[in-house]
Amino acid sequence: EVQLVESGGGLVQPGGSLRVSCAASGFTFNTYAMSWVRQAPGKGLEWVSGISGSGGGTYYADSVKGRFTISRDNSKGTMFLHMNSLRVEDTAVYYCAKDPESSTTWPPVACEIWGLGTMVTVS
Amino acid sequence: EIVLAQSPATLSLSPGERATLSCRASQSIGSYLAWYQQKPGQAPRLLVYDVSKRATGIPARFSGSGSGTDFTLIISRLEPEDFAVYYCQQRSNWPPRLSFGGGTKVEIK
Repeated sequence: EVQLVESGGGLVQPGGSLRVSCAASGFTFNTYAMSWVRQAPGKGLEWVSGISGSGGGTYYADSVKGRFTISRDNSKGTMFLHMNSLRVEDTAVYYCAKDPESSTTWPPVACEIWGLGTMVTVS
Repeated sequence: EIVLAQSPATLSLSPGERATLSCRASQSIGSYLAWYQQKPGQAPRLLVYDVSKRATGIPARFSGSGSGTDFTLIISRLEPEDFAVYYCQQRSNWPPRLSFGGGTKVEIK
């Protein structure tokens, strides 16, 4: 069974840092692009960042560029989001998601499988 | 930056009726258009990607269509479990970024 499990969320002060992780299982991790998507309480979905299957391509929304860094460890089937200079408006549930079709080099196109999310509160 | 506008914001229908949801892009977006369903307290579920490809396990009553800037998700006959919020999402070519529309809530009339 394909599964994604996020962890590492919590409460952090404005200006602080946090790293959230996404553990993947049930598929060949290094052949799928992955994304982080967040959802503030009561709001819609916002794509945050994406990474190619090989890890060679990384992509960011303007709202987080320069503050967040996406990475992956294909040997451990895990993706990370390092968040620095956190702001109150970064408060959200952070989901990781897997692309629907395999590719080692292409950027993500959609989010087929989602984790349950991890809550990040900046206050 | 490509902006997606979804309409209507709320759609009030009865089970068995046909639902037509619209997603309009601020500029042409090719074929990278997806639709999601989200129920309260749950993660979103991918329904359709690449405009019209149904995701694994998605019933045939969900269908996507469109091109250029105008896209549509049709639910042919609403089942009780279909009442939820629906989002469209596109991926721009360069720089490669995803973005979501604001959502359409399909509620029971």
